[in-house]
Amino acid sequence: DSGVTQTPKHLITATGQRVTLRCSPRSGDLSVYWYQQSLDQGLQFLIQYYNGEERAKGNILERFSAQQFPDLHSELNLSSLELGDSALYFCASSRRGAGATTSGANVLTFGAGSRLTVL
Amino acid sequence: AQTVTQSQPEMSVQEAETVTLSCTYDTSESDYYLFWYKQPPSRQMILVIRQEAYKQQNATENRFSVNFQKAAKSFSLKISDSQLGDAAMYFCAYRSPGRGAQKLVFGQGTRLTINP
Repeated sequence: DSGVTQTPKHLITATGQRVTLRCSPRSGDLSVYWYQQSLDQGLQFLIQYYNGEERAKGNILERFSAQQFPDLHSELNLSSLELGDSALYFCASSRRGAGATTSGANVLTFGAGSRLTVL
Repeated sequence: AQTVTQSQPEMSVQEAETVTLSCTYDTSESDYYLFWYKQPPSRQMILVIRQEAYKQQNATENRFSVNFQKAAKSFSLKISDSQLGDAAMYFCAYRSPGRGAQKLVFGQGTRLTINP
């Protein structure tokens, strides 16, 4: 158990629908990252939050949004789903988000992922 | 933007032998972090080893070691005494240390098969 909790583990839905993926970071971690892993695109960075604020944005579609709540858990919302959105969505957390220099502070710990299947 | 390249989509090795996975990266930064992550069939991403660019000494974690060549922008992973449990996808990753984006940039991965 990595300490990063993702729910649900598996999700099957239809095109056009909306889903929410949830992530609880490791205790003490302030940064949360979302990644998408698909067969043809590898691991793609979507978005990062640090202590409730958006810190960096990657190739995240406009149909996708995320937020980090005061208790530091994060949610990734995927709407108007398309077949191509089928993928494994990972959440990761790290101890700090900015200029961390202490040993281990820059390590990302990953959750087990949420597998999304869009039919 | 930083890029990470793993030129070996697949590798195989006999159990108990040694294998080296290659990784190169492109960056204009002088300080950064490099990682190898392992993704077994369970799909969990597991940190194998990390290297700080300012450290000249190559990182080692038990049977896993790296050959970090900063000038050549190369970061290979050596697995000694390969075990069946080492079979997995291995991803090389780069991370900037600054106050900007803290994301990991991943290579495309190398699938490692261990032959008994």
